Amino acid sequence: DADVTQTPRNRITKTGKRIMLECSQTKGHDRMYWYRQDPGLGLRLIYYSFDVKDINKGEISDGYSVSRQAQAKFSLSLESAIPNQTALYFCATSDWRDTEAFFGQGTRLTVV
Amino acid sequence: AQKITQTQPGMFVQEKEAVTLDCTYDTSDQSYGLFWYKQPSSGEMIFLIYQGSYDEQNATEGRYSLNFQKARKSANLVISASQLGDSAMYFCAMREGPTWSSASKIIFGSGTRLSIRP
Repeated sequence: DADVTQTPRNRITKTGKRIMLECSQTKGHDRMYWYRQDPGLGLRLIYYSFDVKDINKGEISDGYSVSRQAQAKFSLSLESAIPNQTALYFCATSDWRDTEAFFGQGTRLTVV
Repeated sequence: AQKITQTQPGMFVQEKEAVTLDCTYDTSDQSYGLFWYKQPSSGEMIFLIYQGSYDEQNATEGRYSLNFQKARKSANLVISASQLGDSAMYFCAMREGPTWSSASKIIFGSGTRLSIRP
């Protein structure tokens, strides 16, 4: 089993719908991240969390919210999806030293 | 303002040649870290190499080395003896802030698509 698991792997949803992307990790890391990847823009940071009590906004948090339910779980929600949120979403984890981020396989989200 | 700049959107290199992928960064922190990741066409993110800002020696991992020039704020990736399997997107990334800080975060550049010609 993968150390960092994202569900679902692919999702098509309609404009205005609420959707949750889930991430779980078995590495015992405190730090968790959510990124989105768009062609030509690289990976942009949405939210990051140092531990269950510490959640911070990244550069593009508008339209997204997160929940850190436990050390191992970090969920990303789109409250009302819009087409320009169509992207590849990655969850990542790292230990307290933050010297290597371990990535999930990604969730390809399409908003129609 | 862009904090991680990768100026080469795409590169073509002949197999077995060495290749340098450019990365410049911008930070006022004294303690930070620099990373390179590879993303093949299958989409997964593969960690290649890490350099801490206080590390005096350039990091190396097999055929990968990170040419760290602190005064120039550059962290170029050098791949020696390129192989067909090196064809992929390559991302430079930076950890802003010291390792112990809860506010530290990892941010990425826009990437360079490397294509190796046989």
